[in-house]
Amino acid sequence: DTEVTQTPKHLVMGMTNKKSLKCEQHMGHRAMYWYKQKAKKPPELMFVYSYEKLSINESVPSRFSPECPNSSLLNLHLHALQPEDSALYLCASSQDGMLAGVETQYFGPGTRLLVL
Amino acid sequence: DQQVKQNSPSLSVQEGRISILNCDYTNSMFDYFLWYKKYPAEGPTFLISISSIKDKNEDGRFTVFLNKSAKHLSLHIVPSQPGDSAVYFCAASLNAGGTSYGKLTFGQGTILTVHP
Repeated sequence: DTEVTQTPKHLVMGMTNKKSLKCEQHMGHRAMYWYKQKAKKPPELMFVYSYEKLSINESVPSRFSPECPNSSLLNLHLHALQPEDSALYLCASSQDGMLAGVETQYFGPGTRLLVL
Repeated sequence: DQQVKQNSPSLSVQEGRISILNCDYTNSMFDYFLWYKKYPAEGPTFLISISSIKDKNEDGRFTVFLNKSAKHLSLHIVPSQPGDSAVYFCAASLNAGGTSYGKLTFGQGTILTVHP
């Protein structure tokens, strides 16, 4: 089973709203990732958690706040977003995260976010 | 600086024939390469990977070839099927002593259309 689930599938929010995206995996993976994908572009890495600790933040604005409550769950808290933040937000997981260069990341279906 | 490039935005192939998708990279430190398939509004689905110590990896209809001297990899799909129609992304990761673990760099993607 290589399933990563994400909720919600779609989200519409105003610029003053606070919302959260959720990601879950039950593969025993210890590394989890958030990516952002704009239309006709490749996914862009935002954050990496390894063993529940934030290990990579790709200079993401503070209006995006990741959280890893346990090894199976990853959240992305959203606050005061801009319309240009509208995109497909993808979660992924991999076995370890410490074994650079030798791991496959498995992606969830994504959350389609629209900021009005 | 685009370190992973897919120079063909699209490819059209007849059902039953071979599809060849190409990818070039510039960073010689990359040591693990992956191909993902993506349908619209869905997350990328892992297809096949190859380590830099190999030059070929095969899984059913999918074969990935790696030419390290040319910094080039390709994905062969044979025989191609209409259900293979999707966007294909190549991705690369590098082992940099753990500081970049988990970071995938994606190409821009190639839209494959397989005609019945």
